[in-house]
Amino acid sequence: GAVVSQHPSRVICKSGTSVKIECRSLDFQATTMFWYRQFPKQSLMLMATSNEGSKATYEQGVEKDKFLINHASLTLSTLTVTSAHPEDSSFYICSARPRQLSAYEQYFGPGTRLTVT
Amino acid sequence: LAKTTQPISMDSYEGQEVNITCSHNNIATNDYITWYQQFPSQGPRFIIQGYKTKVTNEVASLFIPADRKSSTLSLPRVSLSDTAVYYCLVSGGYNKLIFGAGTRLAVHP
Repeated sequence: GAVVSQHPSRVICKSGTSVKIECRSLDFQATTMFWYRQFPKQSLMLMATSNEGSKATYEQGVEKDKFLINHASLTLSTLTVTSAHPEDSSFYICSARPRQLSAYEQYFGPGTRLTVT
Repeated sequence: LAKTTQPISMDSYEGQEVNITCSHNNIATNDYITWYQQFPSQGPRFIIQGYKTKVTNEVASLFIPADRKSSTLSLPRVSLSDTAVYYCLVSGGYNKLIFGAGTRLAVHP
């Protein structure tokens, strides 16, 4: 149980285009999902917290107009990288927290490798 | 959010027990300690979580002293496939997780 999927697993796009990444909790409901970015040989950096039915909360330094987050249901959150540039190339990882009151764990997706050319 | 400090890297050999210690001096009363494992180009995988004393599951043990200012992840009899980055995180329930640098464990034949 507690599986989180991401789609696509890798994507290559041209500079200036937008890319949407989906994060789904497959066997549980998640009121909260998180989006991280990870550059090579570095740790995960939290970008934003996504709550179902409300606006995402972005970490300091993360442009909310560039990284659009939508959490339309209890099992789906999307991250759209708008007007992508080569410096946005990174590994994007989502995580989901189960809805149960006693759930302190987060479950992570497999990640999406974005390459902007 | 409590900051954590871990060794940057560790080396071990197959079959040995590996203990990775994490320091979290500012842990709050409602904080839990969670360890994740990450392989290259994959999302982190939950290993173990605890609040105090000792927790054991099928893959690891977590030792937490009474003052909770540190914790030790113990991996029994490691294999080559345990080569990964291990992250110690401290979070109060529904709070966000902030990742530190983690510990790069290299297991040698």
